[in-house]
Amino acid sequence: AQSVTQPDIHITVSEGASLELRCNYSYGATPYLFWYVQSPGQGLQLLLKYFSGDTLVQGIKGFEAEFKRSQSSFNLRKPSVHWSDAAEYFCAVGARSGGSYIPTFGRGTSLIVHP
Amino acid sequence: ETGVTQSPTHLIKTRGQQVTLRCSSQSGHNTVSWYQQALGQGPQFIFQYYREEENGRGNFPPRFSGLQFPNYSSELNVNALELDDSALYLCASSPVPGLTEKLFFGSGTQLSVL
Repeated sequence: AQSVTQPDIHITVSEGASLELRCNYSYGATPYLFWYVQSPGQGLQLLLKYFSGDTLVQGIKGFEAEFKRSQSSFNLRKPSVHWSDAAEYFCAVGARSGGSYIPTFGRGTSLIVHP
Repeated sequence: ETGVTQSPTHLIKTRGQQVTLRCSSQSGHNTVSWYQQALGQGPQFIFQYYREEENGRGNFPPRFSGLQFPNYSSELNVNALELDDSALYLCASSPVPGLTEKLFFGSGTQLSVL
């Protein structure tokens, strides 16, 4: 069965600093990988996805992620964090279930941004 | 503005009761899926409906059931509520099943079971 591990429950960074959120996955086949962001009181918004091809993927809001098959990782990065980036971030692996790919989410990493 | 709306936003029930949560999908989307997000956890897939038929289910007991209507709106029903059912319930719609990248989430219904 597929699974996602986000080892950091909380990450605190200063505004303007760089950011890396870690994600490790377990899946028997080629994974479909996603990063979502959830602001308080809101649903999830897709930041970026990896299906195949270039292992460095660009997303919205200046985020990028790199797929490393050898490390089973899909870490999210941003070169300069803004205060508005404070939110909960979820990594997910899409696994086939019937006719669909169903995302399995990690437990999330809460990003705190200090001024 | 994602276009996925859920009602109610908050709900308080007591153990053993039944609850119905509602979701209106984004215009043009015929697939709806439901997720349970417990406090401090990621969302867990409950089930998915495509053209009024269930076409995928996660590891949830039968007391979690759903419906999808001809206008593609959906309901999640939970019978015999337990304390552990307290969670944020998220609905997501997509234009077709299988395109997880095209999931649009609502803001959720916060259910508290006392």
